[in-house]
Amino acid sequence: GAVVSQHPSRVICKSGTSVKIECRSLDFQATTMFWYRQFPKQSLMLMATSNEGSKATYEQGVEKDKFLINHASLTLSTLTVTSAHPEDSSFYICSAGSPGLQETQYFGPGTRLLVL
Amino acid sequence: GENVEQHPSTLSVQEGDSAVIKCTYSDSASNYFPWYKQELGKRPQLIIDIRSNVGEKKDQRIAVTLNKTAKHFSLHITETQPEDSAVYFCAASGTGFQKLVFGTGTRLLVSP
Repeated sequence: GAVVSQHPSRVICKSGTSVKIECRSLDFQATTMFWYRQFPKQSLMLMATSNEGSKATYEQGVEKDKFLINHASLTLSTLTVTSAHPEDSSFYICSAGSPGLQETQYFGPGTRLLVL
Repeated sequence: GENVEQHPSTLSVQEGDSAVIKCTYSDSASNYFPWYKQELGKRPQLIIDIRSNVGEKKDQRIAVTLNKTAKHFSLHITETQPEDSAVYFCAASGTGFQKLVFGTGTRLLVSP
C-alpha cells in the first residue's frame, strides 16, 4: 500500500517551454502532497505544499508564478515549470500522505528534468 | 523555522562494521523524525522513523535513538553490508502530516 507514482520519469525540453509533472497516489487519498527539488549530490529542498482544493503554499524563494501547482483531486497533484531555463534542470520529487497514514510521507519515483 | 544538521557527510566502513549517522534539529516543537535511504537516481525510501514519545526504536539491523532534551537523533546500522551503500537523509517535522525538513545527507560506502 501507499504507492505514489510520477509522470514522466524524465523529460528533456527546450529553454522557454513549459513542462508538466504529475504526481498520483495510487491506493490512498492524499489530502496533502509536497513537491521537492533535488540538485545533484544535494538534499531534498521543499518547494511547496499542495492541499487538495486550495492554493499551494510555497517555500521562501520559490516563485509561485514559475512553478504552478494544482491539486484538483485527492489522488493527483501537478507541477508545471513555466518558461523553463537550464538552471531549472533538476530532479523533482513529490511526496504524499494522509491523516490515516499519520506523519509518514511516501515519495514518488521522481522526474528528471533537463532544460537545454 | 526548523533547521536540521547531519553528520558526517561521508562515511566509509568495512562490511560487518557498524555505522552511525547523527542529526540535530532546532525546533523543539518537532516530534516526528524519519530516516530515508536514497540510491542513485531513485526515490527516498523510508527505513525507520521515531516519534517524540519514544527514545529508541529498532528494526533488525537498524535502530534510531532520540534525545529530545539535546535535540538530536541518530541512526545506527549494525553488521553493514555492501547493499547498505547509499545516501541517508534524516528529517524532522511536527505533529500530523506536515512538511519535512531534511538534513544534508550522508553518503555511506560499505566495502566488502
